[in-house]
Amino acid sequence: AQSVAQPEDQVNVAEGNPLTVKCTYSVSGNPYLFWYVQYPNRGLQFLLKYITGDNLVKGSYGFEAEFNKSQTSFHLKKPSALVSDSALYFCAVRVGTGGFKTIFGAGTRLFVKA
Amino acid sequence: EADIYQTPRYLVIGTGKKITLECSQTMGHDKMYWYQQDPGMELHLIHYSYGVNSTEKGDLSSESTVSRIRTEHFPLTLESARPSHTSQYLCASSDPRGGTSTDTQYFGPGTRLTVL
Repeated sequence: AQSVAQPEDQVNVAEGNPLTVKCTYSVSGNPYLFWYVQYPNRGLQFLLKYITGDNLVKGSYGFEAEFNKSQTSFHLKKPSALVSDSALYFCAVRVGTGGFKTIFGAGTRLFVKA
Repeated sequence: EADIYQTPRYLVIGTGKKITLECSQTMGHDKMYWYQQDPGMELHLIHYSYGVNSTEKGDLSSESTVSRIRTEHFPLTLESARPSHTSQYLCASSDPRGGTSTDTQYFGPGTRLTVL
């Protein structure tokens, strides 16, 4: 079955420290992988995506994600966390082109403490 | 900032009322979606559309209906609201007409619905 998992409900990190939000997937074919962020009382915002090419993808607000095909992972990272990064992060995966199926993970809440 | 709009942002109504949640996008996107999300929880796809006159039900069973008469407009209607419909409803769109399909979704700000 196709799925995407975010194993941590919550991640806590101190401001200035590096952060990682984990995502693993299980799909057939070549996945399109996405990260979205949701700030309080807001809709989701697109952060970054992996379609093909370089395994390290850079996105908005200094975030990056690394696609690891052998581990079927797409972890979100940032070298130095900010308090303003505190939000709900969703990993999503879509397979193929033209057709419709995007699966969202359950979300990981990131708390960055000053 | 994506050009996708939802109205109203907040709505409190009584049981049995008919309501329509509005969603419009000015990006020329073919695909549009409605998600239901309890605050801080996962998203559930309830409806989607590939284009005008195309609508499909999503993964989560919903008593709502949608229409897509114009490309830019994708309203969601509840014929008779119930307390179990209390939730946040997010509209999204993707894929510019004639562009390469990647399904990067752009979300509206959401409508928070409370049914008393």
